[in-house]
Amino acid sequence: TQLLEQSPQFLSIQEGENLTVYCNSSSVFSSLQWYRQEPGEGPVLLVTVVTGGEVKKLKRLTFQFGDARKDSSLHITAAQPGDTGLYLCAGGFNAGNNRKLIWGLGTSLAVNP
Amino acid sequence: DAGVIQSPRHEVTEMGQEVTLRCKPISGHDYLFWYRQTMMRGLELLIYFNNNVPIDDSGMPEDRFSAKMPNASFSTLKIQPSEPRDSAVYFCAIRRGSWEKLFFGSGTQLSVL
Repeated sequence: TQLLEQSPQFLSIQEGENLTVYCNSSSVFSSLQWYRQEPGEGPVLLVTVVTGGEVKKLKRLTFQFGDARKDSSLHITAAQPGDTGLYLCAGGFNAGNNRKLIWGLGTSLAVNP
Repeated sequence: DAGVIQSPRHEVTEMGQEVTLRCKPISGHDYLFWYRQTMMRGLELLIYFNNNVPIDDSGMPEDRFSAKMPNASFSTLKIQPSEPRDSAVYFCAIRRGSWEKLFFGSGTQLSVL
């Protein structure tokens, strides 16, 4: 059962365009993380959001956690070829010693020069 | 920073052979995770350790899979015997700090023919 749905699955855009990708769930998470994975490498953490409604900015990337802590979005302004990669979201449950994250399948982004 | 070193980077083997994947966390951590990534199922947690002790191996698909962590600087994931459906990228990851902040290795691309 896929608890985290990411959309779109694939996205191909031109350099300079803006884009938004989404991460949705019916479950409430205590935290949500976004990772970027480049071909042949492991995922690299971009940001962690923990408060409903929270907005975090990382240069041209803006991350938002939904008010109900069930969904999140990632907006990229003026995309560059270096933004190309697989964007993964992962939700965490603060349940005792449970260290399992729930992962989405990712959005594969290609930014063409 | 290169917090986790995995070897080999690529492994091609024949069905029925034993495969051993290695993970060397370089710097401090309290948890170590083994993940498997495929296009269809995304990232799947196989097993994780806390202070070198296996905590949850419910993600290990079958008895053919086993993992050990003899010390804080080394862990192995073994598949015996290997099958073609085991073909995937296997990642080792460590946790530093709070909120499940994970640092991944570069992975081992396993192909079982």
